[in-house]
Amino acid sequence: DTAVSQTPKYLVTQMGNDKSIKCEQNLGHDTMYWYKQDSKKFLKIMFSYNNKELIINETVPNRFSPKSPDKAHLNLHINSLELGDSAVYFCASSQPQGAEAFFGQGTRLTVV
Amino acid sequence: GESVGLHLPTLSVQEGDNSIINCAYSNSASDYFIWYKQESGKGPQFIIDIRSNMDKRQGQRVTVLLNKTVKHLSLQIAATQPGDSAVYFCAENKGGNKLVFGAGTILRVKS
Repeated sequence: DTAVSQTPKYLVTQMGNDKSIKCEQNLGHDTMYWYKQDSKKFLKIMFSYNNKELIINETVPNRFSPKSPDKAHLNLHINSLELGDSAVYFCASSQPQGAEAFFGQGTRLTVV
Repeated sequence: GESVGLHLPTLSVQEGDNSIINCAYSNSASDYFIWYKQESGKGPQFIIDIRSNMDKRQGQRVTVLLNKTVKHLSLQIAATQPGDSAVYFCAENKGGNKLVFGAGTILRVKS
């Protein structure tokens, strides 16, 4: 059973399009995250949700909008995609009191 | 500002040797540190963690050392194997479940 699963694994799209990445965790965690990993492998947190509420928003452009329908899901919608949005996006989850975050396999987004 | 960084971007070791990956952090208030391993095409995977009230913690073939005086963290891998080849990240948790990652070190194991 996959603990944190995200879809799709690969996403190629044109500039200006709108796309979504979905994430689900079956670990029963209350906290979920989106991270962005650039071409130099640098990992940076974008958002964090605790029990469906946004608790961290790391100066991400408004074109990025996370949505958490329930605590097991955290989706990422991106409007008006730009070339600079090309990266690998990771979903993760953890318990609030714990710090170990479990990561999904990543979604490689390529904007052309 | 806050930052977590790594000294060596790439480390090549012979199979069977021990590996040491280093990490420096700047926020002395940080109280929890984690090492992650990321294999090609996969997400980061937890290896070992350590709290600031400890200076050493051991796992299976891995040891993490924390030196709070110089704000330095290291990961030691004993008897390095080809399967250990990956990118290794240190991460700092300053509370609120915000993990700040270092830049990563590539570990290459030569057979």
